[in-house]
Formats: sequence, structure tokens, C-alpha cells
Amino acid sequence: GALVYQYPRRTICKSGTSMRMECQAVGFQATSVAWYRQSPQKTFELIALSTVNSAIKYEQNFTQEKFPISHPNLSFSSMTVLNAYLEDRGLYLCGARDGGDTQYFGPGTRLLVL
Amino acid sequence: GNSVTQMQGQVTLSEEEFLFINCTYSTTGYPTLFWYVQYPGEGPQLLLKVTTANNKGSSRGFEATYDKGTTSFHLQKASVQESDSAVYYCVLGDYQGGRALIFGTGTTVSVSP
Repeated sequence: GALVYQYPRRTICKSGTSMRMECQAVGFQATSVAWYRQSPQKTFELIALSTVNSAIKYEQNFTQEKFPISHPNLSFSSMTVLNAYLEDRGLYLCGARDGGDTQYFGPGTRLLVL
Repeated sequence: GNSVTQMQGQVTLSEEEFLFINCTYSTTGYPTLFWYVQYPGEGPQLLLKVTTANNKGSSRGFEATYDKGTTSFHLQKASVQESDSAVYYCVLGDYQGGRALIFGTGTTVSVSP
């Protein structure tokens, strides 16, 4: 079956520092990977969509300078949160798609900022 | 643009009761519609999807009909169990618009034994 792993599951960083999170697709080829942030109120914000052989498309309010993403092959993607502050707290979810219309999600990386 | 509306933030039921979650959508195209379910500590997982208007999707006793006329995609289950307690999201696929999945605000379902 299609599985998506994310690590770390939880991380704490000091305000102003950066942290990197990873996403790995197993059992299928992730031709596109979307990164979302889920708020404590459970709402989702799309950060960016990365599709193989296309430029990464960032949503309004999210920039490559703040959330650089790498998608080097069909099984792996990473995203870094640079200069994290309190408003960056949340659960970061990776959703990977194999060319069909279903996204498979990992369990998320929970970011706490002190 | 494309959007999804879930008005119910919370639904509380007893086991074996009927579940109905309201979902309406707005779109200019013909997207695939999904219901995802999220359990505590996990990412969302696909519950069911419907690709074509006026078709019904079903899974694990849940069902939803893609109604183009009323632009609705309500979720229902005839008899819930305690294990159905979770957050349910109505979702619209917007890959052509470059926005991946558009999530509704979610409905928390709590089922007591």
C-alpha cells in the first residue's frame, strides 16, 4: 500500500532558529508533494505544491525564502522553516500524490517554538 | 475560485445513531471530491472519493453523493460506532488550479458508547 513517513514527529526550536522536516513516500512514486500547516483549531493552510519537473508553487503568505522545499526524487521531499517564530507553530503535513487524484498523508511534524 | 464549506464544527452522537455531516462546495470546474478522516495524532486519511458528478462513493459504512445540482457532498452513516470518533474533512481536489487539495474546516464527531 501507499505510505508516507514524516520525521521528526515532533520538534522544539528556539525562536529565530530553523528546523528541517522530511517526508518519504513508500510503495508509490510521489510525482507531486504538497506541504500543509494545520493550526491548533484544525484548519489547513496549503504552503506549497511541488511537482516533478515543474517549479514549486507557493501559496500567498508563504515564500521560498521562509519555507524552502526540496523534492529531489520521486520518494523524498524536505521543507525547512527558517527563523521560526511563535506564529509558525503547528502540525506540518506532507501529502504525496502518485499522479492520480488521491493524496496520501504522513502523520505530520509538530513544531513548537519557544 | 474553488472552496468548501462545512458548517458543523462539532457533532455528538451515541452509538448506533445516524450521522450526517453537511458539505457544500463552489467550483468552476469538475473536481474530484473527497472525505478525509483524521484520528488523534495522525495525518488525514482518505475515507472516500467521487470523481464524477451525480455518483456516490462509499466506504466502511459511510457514503456521500456528488450532487452537482445542489453543489453538495454530504457525508452520512446509518449507525455510528465509538471508533468513528474523529475529525472529518470535506475536500475538493484543485490540481488544475495548482492548489492541490482544498480542505473544509472539519467536523469533530464524538460518539459515546
